[in-house]
Amino acid sequence: GAVVSQHPSWVICKSGTSVKIECRSLDFQATTMFWYRQFPKQSLMLMATSNEGSKATYEQGVEKDKFLINHASLTLSTLTVTSAHPEDSSFYICSAPGRGADTQYFGPGTRLTVL
Amino acid sequence: KNQVEQSPQSLIILEGKNCTLQCNYTVSPFSNLRWYKQDTGRGPVSLTIMTFSENTKSNGRYTATLDADTKQSSLHITASQLSDSASYICVVSIVRGATNKLIFGTGTLLAVQP
Repeated sequence: GAVVSQHPSWVICKSGTSVKIECRSLDFQATTMFWYRQFPKQSLMLMATSNEGSKATYEQGVEKDKFLINHASLTLSTLTVTSAHPEDSSFYICSAPGRGADTQYFGPGTRLTVL
Repeated sequence: KNQVEQSPQSLIILEGKNCTLQCNYTVSPFSNLRWYKQDTGRGPVSLTIMTFSENTKSNGRYTATLDADTKQSSLHITASQLSDSASYICVVSIVRGATNKLIFGTGTLLAVQP
């Protein structure tokens, strides 16, 4: 089946630094990818929709200048958390729609810890 | 307001037993309902997906039901195994332009004990 990968799987950084997370569709192309954030014991919350060749669409309350999204190609989307703070510590998951109707493939997630 | 509620929040069962997880939703316009399994520290993996006209769908030991009239769904796990320990998430897809939006439930944390 279709596979979505994320890199890194976990990252620890100091407060104030920027962190880039990659999301790749390994055997299919995705003009759209989704970025989610999941806090402990909570459900996934959609942060933004990444669109290849155009600007990302952000959900209400998500700071676009803090969470920079770049959909550089049909198989790669990146999320950069700029000037990270401890409250940004979370589990970040990306997904991409597959070929079938309403199929959605999720990446394995990236655990971000900001000290 | 589009919401997906799941119950129970957590559940402990013995290996080999059956269990049923519940999902109630208030979303519109409804496109489909999915059940995902999420292991700790991993991304969700799809178990079943049902459209408005489907009442039940099975995937091995997992059987999902959907009552579109009452807006309820259930996930039944038969003969549980230790590897079934995970969070089970009910997700409802709503129509939003060209790309549907997924509304996630908070999940039911299942622990299967030997």
